Amino acid sequence: QQQVKQSPQSLIVQKGGISIINCAYENTAFDYFPWYQQFPGKGPALLIAIRPDVSEKKEGRFTISFNKSAKQFSLHIMDSQPGDSATYFCAPVVGGGNTPLVFGKGTRLSVIA
Amino acid sequence: DAGVIQSPRHEVTEMGQEVTLRCKPISGHNSLFWYRQTMMRGLELLIYFNNNVPIDDSGMPEDRFSAKMPNASFSTLKIQPSEPRDSAVYFCASSLRRKETQYFGPGTRLLVL
Repeated sequence: QQQVKQSPQSLIVQKGGISIINCAYENTAFDYFPWYQQFPGKGPALLIAIRPDVSEKKEGRFTISFNKSAKQFSLHIMDSQPGDSATYFCAPVVGGGNTPLVFGKGTRLSVIA
Repeated sequence: DAGVIQSPRHEVTEMGQEVTLRCKPISGHNSLFWYRQTMMRGLELLIYFNNNVPIDDSGMPEDRFSAKMPNASFSTLKIQPSEPRDSAVYFCASSLRRKETQYFGPGTRLLVL
């Protein structure tokens, strides 16, 4: 059973453009919705996260949009830069901490100049 | 401040050999997670510990895999005997009590010939 479906699998965006990555989930018990960023040869690192009591959260160029009824959340990267080129994972969680992340398959983002 | 430390960073071994991966979580963190990353299966949880106690090992592929956490500052993941299909990057992550953010180590890249 695939609890988390992430799309697209890969994405190429021009420098300065908007990158959009989507995540659909099935488990309504998820209560924390993070996006992790992974550079080659490194472990994933938390980029931004949202709780289900808000529909949007913005941190700099990065925004999460959350649609509870549709069971979807998305990552928007404004003014995409070559340094944003990485693999992005949605990884929702059940429970108030100390529980495993459920990773999507990942989206490989390439930002070209 | 040191992050999660994993050793070795790279391991090449022959089929049938025993492999031991090591992890030192961030000091003060009470949860430790072992994940495996492959191109085919993405990031998947193998096992996690809370307060040094294994909570869920349902992701451990088979009896060839075992994990221990003898104290709060050290964990091992052992594969005996190793097989070529075990080739992957193995990540250790830790988190603070009741906090959802997980901090990943740099990973151990394992190649079983």
